[in-house]
Parts: sequence; structure tokens; C-alpha cells
Amino acid sequence: AQSVTQPDIHITVSEGASLELRCNYSYGATPYLFWYVQSPGQGLQLLLKYFSGDTLVQGIKGFEAEFKRSQSSFNLRKPSVHWSDAAEYFCAVEADSNYQLIWGAGTKLIIKP
Amino acid sequence: EADIYQTPRYLVIGTGKKITLECSQTMGHDKMYWYQQDPGMELHLIHYSYGVNSTEKGDLSSESTVSRIRTEHFPLTLESARPSHTSQYLCASRWGAGELFFGEGSRLTVL
Repeated sequence: AQSVTQPDIHITVSEGASLELRCNYSYGATPYLFWYVQSPGQGLQLLLKYFSGDTLVQGIKGFEAEFKRSQSSFNLRKPSVHWSDAAEYFCAVEADSNYQLIWGAGTKLIIKP
Repeated sequence: EADIYQTPRYLVIGTGKKITLECSQTMGHDKMYWYQQDPGMELHLIHYSYGVNSTEKGDLSSESTVSRIRTEHFPLTLESARPSHTSQYLCASRWGAGELFFGEGSRLTVL
């Protein structure tokens, strides 16, 4: 069965520092890959997605993610975080064209002033 | 900007009551989903619909039911609420395999 692992429950980063959030998936072929962000009291918003092609994808708010097939990973990065980036980040995969996403447990990002 | 709306945003209710969580989208999306979200946990799919008159149960066992009589509307009903139903419920929609748009959620507390 497909699964998604986000190893870090929470991460604390200083404002202005770089960020990397990890995501690993388990699936035989290349799935569709997504990162979503959830601010407190809000629904989820799509940051970026990978379907095929260039393995480095750019998203909104200055985020990017790199698909590494050999590592079954899709890590999210940002060169310099802002206090407004404090939120929970979810990685998800979609496989088998069944229109259903499998979700990671999320990583809560805390920004230190 | 997502045009998907959930009501109520917050609900506190007693055990045994019947509740309906409303979800409406104005984007004409064919697919709609209900997820249950607890703190520190992944989203669990409880119901989905691929179009009018189509509803399926998701991976997470749920005592709720849904209906999809109109494209834009996908309500979730609990016939008899229990404290174990306390959670946040997220509604989402998409067109084909496109971006999934989420509502702001309905936080349910059952006393």
C-alpha cells in the first residue's frame, strides 16, 4: 500500500534561515506529488506539485521541491523563511490515477525571531 | 482564491444529536471529498464523490453519510453524534486530476 512519511513532527528555524522539510513515499511507480500548507484555523493551500518532467519544481511563496526517484523523496525547500511561513506543511501523493491523495502526518514549522 | 465553503465553522453539540456539516463549491468541480483531521495526524479520507449521484466511503471507517444530489453541494451527516466524533472535518473539491481546493474546515466537539 502507498504511504507517505514526514519524519519531522515539528521544525524550528530562525527567520531568514534556510528550510528543508522532508517527505518520503512508498510506491512502485512515480506518483503525483504535492505539498500543501495549512495556516492556523484555515484549510489547506497547494504550494506546488510534481507530475512529470523537470524534477525541480517551483511553487508559490518562494518554495521549491525536488523529486528524487532513487530516494523516493520529495523534499520542500525555501532559501530564506519569513515569520509568515509559520504553519503546518503536508506532503501528499496520488497514485494509480484513482483521484485519491495519501497524506503525510504533517510538519509544523516554527519560526524564531 | 478557492470558492469552497463549509458551515458551520465551529459546532459544540451533545451526544445523540443529529448534525449536518455543509460543503458547497462554486467552481463546477466534479470531484468532492470529506477528510477528518486530528492534531498531529495525517488527513483521513472518509467520503468522496466523483460526480452527481456518486458517493463512496474512504479508507477511514466512519458512521457518517453523504449525498451528492447537486454538483456544488456535498453535505455530511452524523445521525447520532458521539464524543469519538470530535474532530475537524475538511471538505475539498477538484476538477479531474487538478489542484485540490479546501474549505476552511468545520471543527466539531461532541460533549
